[in-house]
Amino acid sequence: GAGVSQSPSNKVTEKGKDVELRCDPISGHTALYWYRQSLGQGLEFLIYFQGNSAPDKSGLPSDRFSAERTGGSVSTLTIQRTQQEDSAVYLCASGNGYNEQFFGPGTRLTVL
Amino acid sequence: AQSVSQHNHHVILSEAASLELGCNYSYGGTVNLFWYVQYPGQHLQLLLKYFSGDPLVKGIKGFEAEFIKSKFSFNLRKPSVQWSDTAEYFCAVEKTTDSWGKLQFGAGTQVVVTP
Repeated sequence: GAGVSQSPSNKVTEKGKDVELRCDPISGHTALYWYRQSLGQGLEFLIYFQGNSAPDKSGLPSDRFSAERTGGSVSTLTIQRTQQEDSAVYLCASGNGYNEQFFGPGTRLTVL
Repeated sequence: AQSVSQHNHHVILSEAASLELGCNYSYGGTVNLFWYVQYPGQHLQLLLKYFSGDPLVKGIKGFEAEFIKSKFSFNLRKPSVQWSDTAEYFCAVEKTTDSWGKLQFGAGTQVVVTP
């Protein structure tokens, strides 16, 4: 079956602009996660959705970052007023309830 | 704060050599442990996982890992590597209490296997 998909695969934006990154999880997976992979920082947890529960936002680095998950499926990560330090690969993963996370290919964000 | 340490950032070895990548974590409670691999140009894939039971777990492509609770370690091994094992390897820890679902990753180890 289809895996986790993310769009766009690459995004180049100017400092100060807003960006939206999309994640389509594996059908039927109740959990959805966002991570960020950047040089020198490794992989950082950002936010976690589980079913209808309130999301765990503890990893979001600032209030410029937000995410929503509509209908328990697709998720959008929004970064407002982007800064150069936001440049990274943003990874989405979905989970099947057995503690295993399946990762998407990521969105490479470059802020000029 | 909990941390996950991978001892080597870069490893270069020849085909047929044995590989061992170290991973230590600092959290004292119950954890789930994972090794993920990222092949060049591909996304992260699960190699193996440990939740409970036999501390020696076997994963895909001939990899195995051993959980040693007393050492807070979860080292990855492969007896004989192939060129196709060239990739970046990440250890990850999930606390089973207040951080359920959140993986904390190590910095990764870049492994290069030469023919």
